[in-house]
Amino acid sequence: DGGITQSPKYLFRKEGQNVTLSCEQNLNHDAMYWYRQDPGQGLRLIYYSQIVNDFQKGDIAEGYSVSREKKESFPLTVTSAQKNPTAFYLCASRTTSANQETQYFGPGTRLLVL
Amino acid sequence: AQSVTQPDIHITVSEGASLELRCNYSYGATPYLFWYVQSPGQGLQLLLKYFSGDTLVQGIKGFEAEFKRSQSSFNLRKPSVHWSDAAEYFCAVGGGNNDMRFGAGTRLTVKP
Repeated sequence: DGGITQSPKYLFRKEGQNVTLSCEQNLNHDAMYWYRQDPGQGLRLIYYSQIVNDFQKGDIAEGYSVSREKKESFPLTVTSAQKNPTAFYLCASRTTSANQETQYFGPGTRLLVL
Repeated sequence: AQSVTQPDIHITVSEGASLELRCNYSYGATPYLFWYVQSPGQGLQLLLKYFSGDTLVQGIKGFEAEFKRSQSSFNLRKPSVHWSDAAEYFCAVGGGNNDMRFGAGTRLTVKP
């Protein structure tokens, strides 16, 4: 059963705490992405990675960090420096072959602050 | 820089009625265009995409979209809406690599 999985579905963060959101794909895709979704604002790119051990900042990277140690996995850490972390977080992936620009999305993780 | 505008934040249609969701984009070259649908608390599902060729593209669930270069538009249509189509719809534009941009979304409500 191929696809993108995200865990957990819901995550609660306390003040000053770092939390990590998991994203795993078994689609053999090279590129992976993290987006933040807030009501009425669409999706905003946090970080992306086109290849293992390499990643780039997106539009709203401050307060977030990522790693890409394996092709299948692209975890996102929301650090204590992110002052407004409450949002829905979506992971996506795509192949980097030519004319294969389509991104496929996971089911999302909702992060709430206690 | 590319951008996407979805002028309608919320649309309500009656079940069985036709639907058109508007999308306008700004992009310096030939764009790749997408429509995604999102049910509450879920990820985004691809409905259809345009890369090149025929400007009228067919997607899943009976949706279609037409690329009009002269109007910089990529409107989504469905001839007869079902109650299960109630969701949020996102238009996106990209041109390669990692520069995909999403609109703010249009929420569709279907009246019985």
